[in-house]
Amino acid sequence: KAGVTQTPRYLIKTRGQQVTLSCSPISGHRSVSWYQQTPGQGLQFLFEYFSETQRNKGNFPGRFSGRQFSNSRSEMNVSTLELGDSALYLCASSSGPAGMGTEAFFGQGTRLTVV
Amino acid sequence: DQQVKQNSPSLSVQEGRISILNCDYTNSMFDYFLWYKKYPAEGPTFLISISSIKDKNEDGRFTVFLNKSAKHLSLHIVPSQPGDSAVYFCAARGSDDYKLSFGAGTTVTVRA
Repeated sequence: KAGVTQTPRYLIKTRGQQVTLSCSPISGHRSVSWYQQTPGQGLQFLFEYFSETQRNKGNFPGRFSGRQFSNSRSEMNVSTLELGDSALYLCASSSGPAGMGTEAFFGQGTRLTVV
Repeated sequence: DQQVKQNSPSLSVQEGRISILNCDYTNSMFDYFLWYKKYPAEGPTFLISISSIKDKNEDGRFTVFLNKSAKHLSLHIVPSQPGDSAVYFCAARGSDDYKLSFGAGTTVTVRA
């Protein structure tokens, strides 16, 4: 069974540009969540999608957006990039709420560097 | 607002000894608590979880303890092995919630 796939693995962008990250969840998983990891901050929740609907959103500016397609694949978009957006962006898929034998499985992440 | 806190950014332990990682939380609505392990250049992998109705859960060398009244949980690794060297994240969520709140992580180094 293939794991969570995130593309690209690494990305370098210039301030002001926009970027789109992609996540393919484990087959059969309908929930996809996105997290931002920065040094000292742990993983910060961005948003969660289930059956193409955003059900939950973290405390991030509107420059961060996402969507989910009918095949459960998800994309995350960041517009007008700032230096502080440099981080590891992680995608997690699950078939149910984590902790009930349906743990969230993470991809390897996309390392975004904004210069 | 950091609802899950790991106050020790790093921990160094000798191989064969016990590693104890601590985590505190502030949200009394959290029902499930999880520990994830992360190696460099990889995504976090699930280690062990505990429901709020329990105070202990054990899986091999890993045991998680939950003290609800103190809003505190800990992860014990016994015995520690060199392959345990990684960053460990504590996470929590509310009932029927897919969103996980994570701590900042603790970097564990197991010395040979």
